[in-house]
Amino acid sequence: NAGVTQTPKFRVLKTGQSMTLLCAQDMNHEYMYWYRQDPGMGLRLIHYSVGEGTTAKGEVPDGYNVSRLKKQNFLLGLESAAPSQTSVYFCASSMTGNEQFFGPGTRLTVL
Amino acid sequence: KNEVEQSPQNLTAQEGEFITINCSYSVGISALHWLQQHPGGGIVSLFMLSSGKKKHGRLIATINIQEKHSSLHITASHPRDSAVYICAIQTSYDKVIFGPGTSLSVIP
Repeated sequence: NAGVTQTPKFRVLKTGQSMTLLCAQDMNHEYMYWYRQDPGMGLRLIHYSVGEGTTAKGEVPDGYNVSRLKKQNFLLGLESAAPSQTSVYFCASSMTGNEQFFGPGTRLTVL
Repeated sequence: KNEVEQSPQNLTAQEGEFITINCSYSVGISALHWLQQHPGGGIVSLFMLSSGKKKHGRLIATINIQEKHSSLHITASHPRDSAVYICAIQTSYDKVIFGPGTSLSVIP
């Protein structure tokens, strides 16, 4: 099992550009989450999904969109990137909504 | 006031020392998690607690629900324990609040 994988690992964008981060899990988990991690702050939830075809907003959803068309994949989109979105993004999945399994992270820089 | 606080923020220990990291929180929870973030960035779940105490190898986690406090202990610390340790509280299936982390460095 690969667990939770994230693509890409690193990305540099210019302000206004768009991109999609892909999270994939092979554990048949129902719950999936997108977090961002900024220096000096704890992980903050952007969006989450409790099953295929469902998404919901987390603590910091503005500027991001998500989709869960397939159970194993959770996509995070930035329509018009801003420097404030420079961060490390982590995806996680969970079977029951309790213990979460994290991906390796995507380091995004917006210039 | 943050809902999850950790102390200390940074900790340096000599190899072999007993280490304690503390977590306090201010709201009702269904569970508390301890996570380890390696220097390379990967995050691993160490424990999930709703009461009492759990042990895994040299790691021990305790929680006192009445006092809204949890501790993570590392016995016989080793340089490979150097990492950021994160406390997170779960208030429902869709709400997990993460603490700021404690950065641990174990010196040989």
